[in-house]
Amino acid sequence: NAGVTQTPKFQVLKTGQSMTLQCAQDMNHNSMYWYRQDPGMGLRLIYYSASEGTTDKGEVPNGYNVSRLNKREFSLRLESAAPSQTSVYFCASSDPRDTYSSYEQYFGPGTRLTVT
Amino acid sequence: RKEVEQDPGPFNVPEGATVAFNCTYSNSASQSFFWYRQDCRKEPKLLMSVYSSGNEDGRFTAQLNRASQYISLLIRDSKLSDSATYLCVVNIYTGNQFYFGTGTSLTVIP
Repeated sequence: NAGVTQTPKFQVLKTGQSMTLQCAQDMNHNSMYWYRQDPGMGLRLIYYSASEGTTDKGEVPNGYNVSRLNKREFSLRLESAAPSQTSVYFCASSDPRDTYSSYEQYFGPGTRLTVT
Repeated sequence: RKEVEQDPGPFNVPEGATVAFNCTYSNSASQSFFWYRQDCRKEPKLLMSVYSSGNEDGRFTAQLNRASQYISLLIRDSKLSDSATYLCVVNIYTGNQFYFGTGTSLTVIP
């Protein structure tokens, strides 16, 4: 049981390049999330997927797209990378049992992205 | 206004000390509350959920005050291994989003 896995762990891009960050979870969770973490800003939600087939914007979605490929996988794409997207990206999953409750989020190890 | 606010610290305390962190949240509709721990360059991990009546897990005690909209974490008998950043997290049911504070840095000194 690997939990939440992310690839790659590190990446350097030039401005304008594109890339996809991969995330997979093996806990059969319905909900998956992408966050970015910047110094002094805390974790900010980029996109989330409450269930397979649905995705919604979070606090900072501009410049990103996501795909919930199946229940296990949730990818984040940067179409044209900018230096402002230099950050640490975390994927997470959780499994709320019902509408009015929520459970802990499990995080992947993160991807450290630098855009030059 | 941020959904969740924390004092960033840093808190530098000697081993064995008691230290308390507070966190305030802005949305009165917030439903679930958590403290996460994040070690340097690692992913956040759940430390404990925070229940309305308050709860304790060993040396850690969490309290929730809904009237004043704040959450606290008390660490007793601090250990060197408690050195980390502590994140306050709030869940507001609008599509099951979680809001994170910026974190409070704790260093326990020998």
